[in-house]
Amino acid sequence: QKEVEQNSGPLSVPEGAIASLNCTYSDRGSQSFFWYRQYSGKSPELIMFIYSNGDKEDGRFTAQLNKASQYVSLLIRDSQPSDSATYLCAPDSGGSNYKLTFGKGTLLTVNP
Amino acid sequence: ETGVTQSPTHLIKTRGQQVTLRCSSQSGHNTVSWYQQALGQGPQFIFQYYREEENGRGNFPPRFSGLQFPNYSSELNVNALELDDSALYLCASSQGQGDEQYFGPGTRLTVT
Repeated sequence: QKEVEQNSGPLSVPEGAIASLNCTYSDRGSQSFFWYRQYSGKSPELIMFIYSNGDKEDGRFTAQLNKASQYVSLLIRDSQPSDSATYLCAPDSGGSNYKLTFGKGTLLTVNP
Repeated sequence: ETGVTQSPTHLIKTRGQQVTLRCSSQSGHNTVSWYQQALGQGPQFIFQYYREEENGRGNFPPRFSGLQFPNYSSELNVNALELDDSALYLCASSQGQGDEQYFGPGTRLTVT
């Protein structure tokens, strides 16, 4: 059973702080890694993806990938109250269909 | 807005009935994946369609079936509904099999 584990929430940070979201995965065949943001009652929204080891930055978001450790993380700098949501980590399965396996998500609350 | 649309938005069915959910993929996307998201959980992969062929299936029984049309829109059919089928059903489209997946707004199914 391929598993994705995310740091248990909820995670609460003050406005302007750095929020750190972590994820480990068991499928060594995973090639691509996606972070989705999901507001309550809404569908997941893709915010970052990373394919190679190292860091990838996009605005206030930085994704970090370490395939040897089977670990991927998302840093949110200068956190805003609008960042309050559940963050879902989703490695793909590689192979022929690249299905996404999601963790349960981490609920982030940014306090003004 | 991702350009992926789903209908209906909400649906209430009785146990034992059948349901059809619809998804229109984003322009230029030929791959549609379906996911089931129970309350408090991450989405779970049901199956994927690539150029009208099923291309991988998750751990769901055969009463979950699907179809993809020449315009790449897709349907999810569920027969003999059970109470546990109550969930948010999400479709995601991508440009190709290994590309980023963009979710539609989802269909909330309630089985009573």
